[in-house]
Amino acid sequence: EIVLTQSPATLSLSPGERATLSCRASQSVSSYLAWYQQKPGQAPRLLIYDASNRATGIPARFSGSGSGTDFTLTISSLEPEDFAVYYCQQRSNWPSFGQGTMLEIK
Amino acid sequence: EVQLVESGGGVVRPGGSLRLSCVASGFTFDDYGMSWVRQAPGKGLEWVSGINWNGGSTNYADSVKGRFIISRNNAKNSLYLQMNSLRAEDTALYHCVRKVNTIVGGTIDHFDYWGQGTQVTVSS
Repeated sequence: EIVLTQSPATLSLSPGERATLSCRASQSVSSYLAWYQQKPGQAPRLLIYDASNRATGIPARFSGSGSGTDFTLTISSLEPEDFAVYYCQQRSNWPSFGQGTMLEIK
Repeated sequence: EVQLVESGGGVVRPGGSLRLSCVASGFTFDDYGMSWVRQAPGKGLEWVSGINWNGGSTNYADSVKGRFIISRNNAKNSLYLQMNSLRAEDTALYHCVRKVNTIVGGTIDHFDYWGQGTQVTVSS
């Protein structure tokens, strides 16, 4: 089983700032990593798939990078609607998710 | 507009069974693999099971293997999850999700559309 560890657990930032979220895999997942955003009471939304591909309709301020075991989701300039929980997910083996990073308003 | 609408959840005693359904619309259903992902109350996400476009290939998380069966009916644009021998730890919101369909690699196990989910509670 591939374990994904996200850091930090909580990130406190202000609108307009840059956010950097990390996801580390217990073994290499190549580039088979996705990022999702989830707001309270809503289903998750796919942001990035296969490490760096933005999903349909996702703004350019969201970008993904990394390969192997270390991945990053960057939000270049936070908008008020970006404050949410973010999950990473690998598909190298049976799909698994990280435990999430809560991005909160400072 | 892509829509995935789940139904069939409810309260069941340990050892009982439930059958979840998901009706898809807004896309060509048999072009896509599908999966079920669950989220326990206040917890993270857990992939449960997946199925390819024609039902010929299925896979399961170890936590449900031998107890759950995924299936689909392309004529009815529907996905199903038969859940047997239910346990308290199966309590969760169950989402029907669509796999990403890439031009080069076919469908892959990332999930681009999610239903709102159907709640399953296993309790005596």
